[in-house]
Amino acid sequence: EAGVAQSPRYKIIEKRQSVAFWCNPISGHATLYWYQQILGQGPKLLIQFQNNGVVDDSQLPKDRFSAERLKGVDSTLKIQPAKLEDSAVYLCASSSHGPTYEQYFGPGTRLTVT
Amino acid sequence: GDSVTQMEGPVTLSEEAFLTINCTYTATGYPSLFWYVQYPGEGLQLLLKATKADDKGSNKGFEATYRKETTSFHLEKGSVQVSDSAVYFCATEKLVFGKGMKLTVNP
Repeated sequence: EAGVAQSPRYKIIEKRQSVAFWCNPISGHATLYWYQQILGQGPKLLIQFQNNGVVDDSQLPKDRFSAERLKGVDSTLKIQPAKLEDSAVYLCASSSHGPTYEQYFGPGTRLTVT
Repeated sequence: GDSVTQMEGPVTLSEEAFLTINCTYTATGYPSLFWYVQYPGEGLQLLLKATKADDKGSNKGFEATYRKETTSFHLEKGSVQVSDSAVYFCATEKLVFGKGMKLTVNP
């Protein structure tokens, strides 16, 4: 089966610009996650969707980050405006059910904010 | 909320050495626990998991036992190979990950 797809793989922007990341989960997976992974740290959950509803967005900086999952399939994560500290790898993952099930991770998008 | 503490790295071992990567957690109740691995140039993937106390997860020669008394989930392998070189992450079902530990195995 096809894995989790993410695009772009790399993005360089200037601070105060906006950027969007796209994720296509494994077909049939109800749960989708976005993580931020800063260099040298573990992934930090930003938002969790169950189908097209938000389960947990408690760590999402809502003043600048937004995410949506249209029709319970693809998802986009947006940052506007970007700050230097947003430089990180943004990971998308999906699982067939909730977090007690195995998560399948995409390759990530490496964002550099200059 | 949950938290995970992993031993600091990086760690370099010789092939066939014994490996232990410590992981302790704080959590409400007894969440499922996971070890994820990230090989060079690849995405994170599940290595093993345990869903309740005293469960032992195992895969690819790695093992980890869920110890509720010590709130630990240490990862072990009796004889590492060069192909085990990777970054290892401990995590809880609340989607809290440790910082990761980079392992390099030399021939």
